[in-house]
Amino acid sequence: AQTVTQSQPEMSVQEAETVTLSCTYDTSESDYYLFWYKQPPSRQMILVIRQEAYKQQNATENRFSVNFQKAAKSFSLKISDSQLGDAAMYFCAYRTRLGTSYGKLTFGQGTILTVHP
Amino acid sequence: KAGVTQTPRYLIKTRGQQVTLSCSPISGHRSVSWYQQTPGQGLQFLFEYFSETQRNKGNFPGRFSGRQFSNSRSEMNVSTLELGDSALYLCASSFGTLTDTQYFGPGTRLTVL
Repeated sequence: AQTVTQSQPEMSVQEAETVTLSCTYDTSESDYYLFWYKQPPSRQMILVIRQEAYKQQNATENRFSVNFQKAAKSFSLKISDSQLGDAAMYFCAYRTRLGTSYGKLTFGQGTILTVHP
Repeated sequence: KAGVTQTPRYLIKTRGQQVTLSCSPISGHRSVSWYQQTPGQGLQFLFEYFSETQRNKGNFPGRFSGRQFSNSRSEMNVSTLELGDSALYLCASSFGTLTDTQYFGPGTRLTVL
């Protein structure tokens, strides 16, 4: 079974600075997807970024980028120019491409990000 | 395009009762997945429905069930509620392929007293 581990329960960053959230995962599969979701105090889960395992190029979305290291099974999220609105719980998630796992995301435990003005 | 909606947003029930939660997916999406979020267990997958059929299920007791209607709206039912069922229940919708992305609703906060 796949597992996702986020080793940082809490992180903090100053506004306008850069912060990196860590995520490692365990799988025997070669084809899968990785995601970062953000859950602000409203509890609405919002997709931040998605990475296909077969793509070597790291995904980027504006101020958000990932460092995907497939061999090391590592998938970190870098937030540049942090804003107060970035404060939230961040979840790393894994999804296989196997048909036996339709609709299933496996989540890490989450990292609470605090942004200081 | 409207997002995923869930009703009700908050529920308070007592032990032994049953509850039904509803999820309306994004227009065009045919897959609905349900997750339970608790402080202790985190986010756990309950089940997924596609075209009115359950395609996948997580490791939850039979008290947790669901269904999907022809318009892709889904309901989740929990019977004989226990205190440990208190949680945020999230649903997510997608087109239902193995390559697309899930989009989440705002959740239903269930409290069991």
